[in-house]
Amino acid sequence: DTEVTQTPKHLVMGMTNKKSLKCEQHMGHRAMYWYKQKAKKPPELMFVYSYEKLSINESVPSRFSPECPNSSLLNLHLHALQPEDSALYLCASSQVPRQRNEKLFFGSGTQLSVL
Amino acid sequence: GDSVTQMEGPVTLSEEAFLTINCTYTATGYPSLFWYVQYPGEGLQLLLKATKADDKGSNKGFEATYRKETTSFHLEKGSVQVSDSAVYFCALSDQGQAGTALIFGKGTTLSVSS
Repeated sequence: DTEVTQTPKHLVMGMTNKKSLKCEQHMGHRAMYWYKQKAKKPPELMFVYSYEKLSINESVPSRFSPECPNSSLLNLHLHALQPEDSALYLCASSQVPRQRNEKLFFGSGTQLSVL
Repeated sequence: GDSVTQMEGPVTLSEEAFLTINCTYTATGYPSLFWYVQYPGEGLQLLLKATKADDKGSNKGFEATYRKETTSFHLEKGSVQVSDSAVYFCALSDQGQAGTALIFGKGTTLSVSS
């Protein structure tokens, strides 16, 4: 199994809603990432988890709350989002944190629309 | 800080044409370099990588050589196909204090027509 699985694939939410994005991998990877990608732009790093601990938070607003319940799962909890938060949210994993030549495996993403 | 600069797109080619997408980088350390490809509606897939100077990454007919003297990692393919139509991202990875994460270029859209 060399896949990173993200659910849901599409999500529409209002600004007062609370929702969660889920990401799962069974490759034994110990680093997991959340990226945000706006249309026709490169992915922007949001969070990095290394051995289930948050190691990088790229100054992301608190309305985005990541969680890593175990080594296979990564969640992104969403609350009180703004329309400008509409984007493709990508999860990725890599085998070993802190290795510069590590390949990242990406999921297909969750396309989020905030109304 | 570290950065990646890619040629602006879109790049429009006919099938079997030669492809070059330029990529240059700025880094303080000795980064690894990657090309990722994103097909419509999908996440990113690693196309190829190189981890040190003069390394050549190759995959599916695509090639790129890590040139330290010109800080470049240009992507080439001798004969493109319609199925190569996608967005291509050049990226680097340099070991940081808390871990490592990819820094992407802005992406180049390739459109190949038959």
